[in-house]
Amino acid sequence: EAAVTQSPRNKVTVTGGNVTLSCRQTNSHNYMYWYRQDTGHGLRLIHYSYGAGNLQIGDVPDGYKATRTTQEDFFLLLELASPSQTSLYFCASSATGAGNTLYFGEGSRLIVV
Amino acid sequence: GEQVEQLPSILRVQEGSSASINCSYEDSASNYFPWYKQEPGENPKLIIDIRSNMERKQIQELIVLLDKKAKRFSLHITDTQPGDSAMYFCARASSSFSKLVFGQGTSLSVVP
Repeated sequence: EAAVTQSPRNKVTVTGGNVTLSCRQTNSHNYMYWYRQDTGHGLRLIHYSYGAGNLQIGDVPDGYKATRTTQEDFFLLLELASPSQTSLYFCASSATGAGNTLYFGEGSRLIVV
Repeated sequence: GEQVEQLPSILRVQEGSSASINCSYEDSASNYFPWYKQEPGENPKLIIDIRSNMERKQIQELIVLLDKKAKRFSLHITDTQPGDSAMYFCARASSSFSKLVFGQGTSLSVVP
């Protein structure tokens, strides 16, 4: 099964703080995604990428930046964290896009106080 | 046009009975509809999917139905077991197949 690794797994930061969530996949997948999971909202897409240097805007991008530095690595940046960004964040990868299986990482739980 | 509506949000069934989850969408260009299962404390995993050239697909106790005319699809779990207790998400792929849009999720509990 495809391996997707996220770090950190847990993070607590203060309002206004700077947070970087990291994701690495080692399956040579082209597509990588960042989702947030909140009760009542399911999984909502923040940003995604179809290759190194590429970035696509998702459905809930406000307050987030992302960067795909290599095919393996996709980062989610919160430069001025707010309590509304307290959530469970999942990274996922897929070989050729959403018509194929998405493989999710273990998740990163972020709390903004 | 992007949303996927999923109902119910909470479902509780007796072990051995069937469970049904329903989803609807607006974008008629959608052609791929997967279902993901998330066990407590775990990440979501694909369990079954259906493409628009099919109306029904079955994998063991999982049945997916697709009504493209009504823009609805559904998951049916027959003979439910305690191991089926989890969060279930429906999803649809965008017409460009670049992203998945998920429903709000259904928390299924199978009780003895």
